[in-house]
Amino acid sequence: TVVAQEPSLTVSPGGTVTLTCASSIGAVTGDYHPNWFQQKPGQPPRPLIYSATNKYSWTPARFSGYLLGGKAALALSAVQPDDEAEYFCLLFCGGVWVFGGGTKVTVL
Amino acid sequence: QVQLVQSGAEEKKPGSSVKISCQPYGYIFTDYTIHWVRQAPGQGLEWLGWIAGVNGVTRYSQRSQVRVTITRDTSAGMVYLELRRLTSEDTAMYYCVRQPGLSAFDVWGQGTEVLVSS
Repeated sequence: TVVAQEPSLTVSPGGTVTLTCASSIGAVTGDYHPNWFQQKPGQPPRPLIYSATNKYSWTPARFSGYLLGGKAALALSAVQPDDEAEYFCLLFCGGVWVFGGGTKVTVL
Repeated sequence: QVQLVQSGAEEKKPGSSVKISCQPYGYIFTDYTIHWVRQAPGQGLEWLGWIAGVNGVTRYSQRSQVRVTITRDTSAGMVYLELRRLTSEDTAMYYCVRQPGLSAFDVWGQGTEVLVSS
């Protein structure tokens, strides 16, 4: 199974950007338990979203996860310079977990 | 405070094995599944496998199952990742991660750097 993400996206400060996560074996549903993580250089990944839409207590309210058009998606709104990072999705596919390749988000 | 504390960096020769540890603090050890994830320099994340907290059952990725073994010592409260027949492609940061319930991956260890070099 291959999990595909956009390699890179650029967003202006204050803008909105949407990242997607697709599975090669079919439409992503809640059964895939989509997770999203943010990673900055030299740091472990930071969990943002689980089960497609659920946030952790530390997840900024500006970040939202959802399912749309057969993909998992992560929307970052009112983007700040500190949101510049790599974002990874993780899907439960056929009994194993598979990470997407990551999306590098640049705030410019 | 809930945290996962991993063992220190390792430098190994090709063909050898490495065993790294992950020690949970701040919660009941057997209540959660622990996963292992690695990240090669400049690359993405790769899921390696898990060990269930309740019964020690393991599951591995197709790629890792030949050379990876995840174990635990419940009396010591430790989880281990062993990787055999190391090659330079195993050079990576290795993370243990806690999974509460079915979906969340909420606590990550600080990472253990493994360098495979002749």
